[in-house]
Amino acid sequence: GNSVTQMEGPVTLSEEAFLTINCTYTATGYPSLFWYVQYPGEGLQLLLKATKADDKGSNKGFEATYRKETTSFHLEKGSVQVSDSAVYFCALIANDYKLSFGAGTTVTVRA
Amino acid sequence: NAGVMQNPRHLVRRRGQEARLRCSPMKGHSHVYWYRQLPEEGLKFMVYLQKENIIDESGMPKERFSAEFPKEGPSILRIQQVVRGDSAAYFCASSGARSTGELFFGEGSRLTVL
Repeated sequence: GNSVTQMEGPVTLSEEAFLTINCTYTATGYPSLFWYVQYPGEGLQLLLKATKADDKGSNKGFEATYRKETTSFHLEKGSVQVSDSAVYFCALIANDYKLSFGAGTTVTVRA
Repeated sequence: NAGVMQNPRHLVRRRGQEARLRCSPMKGHSHVYWYRQLPEEGLKFMVYLQKENIIDESGMPKERFSAEFPKEGPSILRIQQVVRGDSAAYFCASSGARSTGELFFGEGSRLTVL
C-alpha cells in the first residue's frame, strides 16, 4: 500500500534559520507528492506539489524536489519567519483520489 | 468566508452517545471527502461522497459510522454509540471535480469521548 513517513517534531527554530523537514514515501505506480500546511486555527491548505520525478514544487519560499531514486520529497526553506509556525504534512496520491498523509511536523519559529 | 466550513469545532460525548459532524463544502464544490486523524498519526481517508451518492466508503469502520451528502444541506458524518477510540480530529475536504490531490480542507472537528 501507500505510505508516507515524515520527520517527527516538534521543531523549534529561530527566525531566519534554515528549515528542512524530511519526507519519504512508499507507493505503487507513479504518485504525485504534496506538502500541506495547517496554520493555527485554520484548515489544511496546499503549500506545494510535484507530479513527476525531478519536478520541484515551490511556494512562499518553500521548495521540495520529487526524488524518485530516494523516494523522498523533503521540504526546505532558507530563511523562516515567525509566520511560518504551523503543522506541515507530507502527502501523496497514486492512481486514485485518496491522499495518504504523514503524521505531520509541528514547526515553531521564535523571533 | 467561502471556504469549507465544519461544525462543531469541538464536541464532547460520553460513551454510547451519538456524534454528528457537519461539513459545508466550498461554494461550487460537489465532491466531499472525510479524513480522520488519530493522535500521533497522519490523516486517514474515510469516505468520498458526491451529492446524494457515496462513491467510496472503504476507509469507514464497518459499524457505527455513516456518512451522507444530501441534495440540500451539508454533508454529515455520524458516529453511533461512540467509544473512546473514536476520539480524534475529523477533517472534511472538498473539490470541484474528482480529486487529483488538491483538496480544500475545513478546520476540523475534534471529538472527545469521555
